[in-house]
Amino acid sequence: LAKTTQPISMDSYEGQEVNITCSHNNIATNDYITWYQQFPSQGPRFIIQGYKTKVTNEVASLFIPADRKSSTLSLPRVSLSDTAVYYCLVGDIGGNNRLAFGKGNQVVVIP
Amino acid sequence: DTEVTQTPKHLVMGMTNKKSLKCEQHMGHRAMYWYKQKAKKPPELMFVYSYEKLSINESVPSRFSPECPNSSLLNLHLHALQPEDSALYLCASSQDRSMWYTFGSGTRLTVV
Repeated sequence: LAKTTQPISMDSYEGQEVNITCSHNNIATNDYITWYQQFPSQGPRFIIQGYKTKVTNEVASLFIPADRKSSTLSLPRVSLSDTAVYYCLVGDIGGNNRLAFGKGNQVVVIP
Repeated sequence: DTEVTQTPKHLVMGMTNKKSLKCEQHMGHRAMYWYKQKAKKPPELMFVYSYEKLSINESVPSRFSPECPNSSLLNLHLHALQPEDSALYLCASSQDRSMWYTFGSGTRLTVV
């Protein structure tokens, strides 16, 4: 799987839009970008997946530039309950079922 | 049913004990996984089952023994663990060759 790099942590105020970046310089042609959210003492939860340009669902948006070497997860109007670790993963969805997590980004939402 | 259920939620065991962790899903997923997560660290892949066959063992010590009795169940048998094995053990499932995993809430294991 392509290696990813994320900031270790970031703070945001309640009600703001939060943009979480991920670098994946050696992404392969067949690789997709997937984001997970994890609360303390719970399993990670799938948020969104994309290949290029923009993907949006009811929870978040994922922006992927043309070179696909980075991606940005956007959370609109965060609340305190969005405080969590966010993981960016890159891999071939037709691959060998080996999903490896990087260090993730601790996002803290401040009142 | 869109959940992965893990039991027990908490487990304390001695180093000479034998115990098992259980995981169940009814989403028709044919891939199931065990991950280990230490505090403040990302989940680490341990085992992958695909169509009830062990496909990946990430060099896990033999004191951890996985078992997949059928397509809905996944067990992790524990024997002679060490205190450093204390962690949150997460089970997940997915369609085969998918990156969309559904995780359980985990078993918090303490080895004393």
